[in-house]
Amino acid sequence: DIQMTQSPSSLSASVGDRVTITCRPSQSISNYLNWYQQKPGKAPKLLIYAASILQSGVPSRFTGSGSGTDFTLTISSLQPEDFATYYCQQSYRFRTFGQGTKVEIK
Amino acid sequence: QVQLVESGGGLVKPGGSLRLSCAASGFTFSDYYMSWIRQAPGRGLEWVSYISSRGDILFYADSVKGRFTISRDNAENSLYLQMNSLRAEDTAVYYCARDLLVATTQKFEYWGQGTLVTVSS
Repeated sequence: DIQMTQSPSSLSASVGDRVTITCRPSQSISNYLNWYQQKPGKAPKLLIYAASILQSGVPSRFTGSGSGTDFTLTISSLQPEDFATYYCQQSYRFRTFGQGTKVEIK
Repeated sequence: QVQLVESGGGLVKPGGSLRLSCAASGFTFSDYYMSWIRQAPGRGLEWVSYISSRGDILFYADSVKGRFTISRDNAENSLYLQMNSLRAEDTAVYYCARDLLVATTQKFEYWGQGTLVTVSS
């Protein structure tokens, strides 16, 4: 099975900060990587698919990059509504999620 | 608009069974793979199972293999998860999600609201 490791597990940041979350699969997955945002009590929301394609309606401050075994989600200027938990997910072989990165208010 | 509505969750004793349903609307259900994904209280997301558009390809996470069975009824636009031999660690919110459209990029673009399964004596 492909294991997905996100880092950090949590971070504290302020509004306006640039935030970077990393996802590393246990083997190469080409660009079969998606990113989701989840707020408490809600279903996850798709942000980025195929590693770097912004889902329709998602603000352009979210960008995804990477391929193979190293992926990054960047929020260029953190907004109040961005405080949430973020998950990466691979679809190269079956489906696996990372353990999540909680973005909290500093 | 796309809607996925889960039902069937509840409280069940260890060793018991439960069948979850997911009613789909707003898209051509028979074109898409579908998945079940769960989230234990305070924990992360765990993919459970997926089924192909025609129902002939099924895969499961190791944690549920041999105990859970995914199925679908394309005529009824419905997805199911039969859960047997339930354990305390199966306690979670269970989401259905629209999965792959063949020859396109896989993504979980649409999710249901989730249904809570609690396994406790």
